[in-house]
Amino acid sequence: GAVVSQHPSRVICKSGTSVKIECRSLDFQATTMFWYRQFPKKSLMLMATSNEGSKATYEQGVEKDKFLINHASLTLSTLTVTSAHPEDSSFYICSAKTGADTQYFGPGTRLTVL
Amino acid sequence: ILNVEQSPQSLHVQEGDSTNFTCSFPSSNFYALHWYRWETAKSPEALFVMTLNGDEKKKGRISATLNTKEGYSYLYIKGSQPEDSATYLCAFVGYGGSQGNLIFGKGTKLSVKP
Repeated sequence: GAVVSQHPSRVICKSGTSVKIECRSLDFQATTMFWYRQFPKKSLMLMATSNEGSKATYEQGVEKDKFLINHASLTLSTLTVTSAHPEDSSFYICSAKTGADTQYFGPGTRLTVL
Repeated sequence: ILNVEQSPQSLHVQEGDSTNFTCSFPSSNFYALHWYRWETAKSPEALFVMTLNGDEKKKGRISATLNTKEGYSYLYIKGSQPEDSATYLCAFVGYGGSQGNLIFGKGTKLSVKP
């Protein structure tokens, strides 16, 4: 149980284009979903927290207009990287939780912006 | 800025060896400490959520201890097997953090040679 999927697993795009990443909880309803980013040799860093049906809460330094988060249902959250630039190239990973403390993670998405 | 440190960064052991690694975290405003196991190309897998000082948790050959007063947790693996090869992440949650924000260390990468 508690499986989270993420799609796509890998994406390469041209600078200036937008990329959408989906995060789904497959066998449970997630009241809260989280988006993290990991740069090489760094820790997973929280970007934003989203609750179903409400606006996401972004961490300091994360541009909300650049990283659009939509949490339209209890099983789906999307992260759209708008007008991507090479410096946005990173590993993006989502997690989901119910009321309990444990966060269940997806397998992540490797984004490369050319 | 809250700092979570893990040591060592990487570890190479022979099959059958027992091993342990450390997670250091802020000792004030402690709420919980999470351990995850992350195999390449897979989702991080939740191992333990630890909340009480002196807690000791066990899952098969893996166990963890917690000292909240001095701000550290140890993860032990008894009789390491090649399938234990993974990156082990710890994450701190403090009181006052919104919705249980996880602050991750960089991980300890364990390689077990057959």
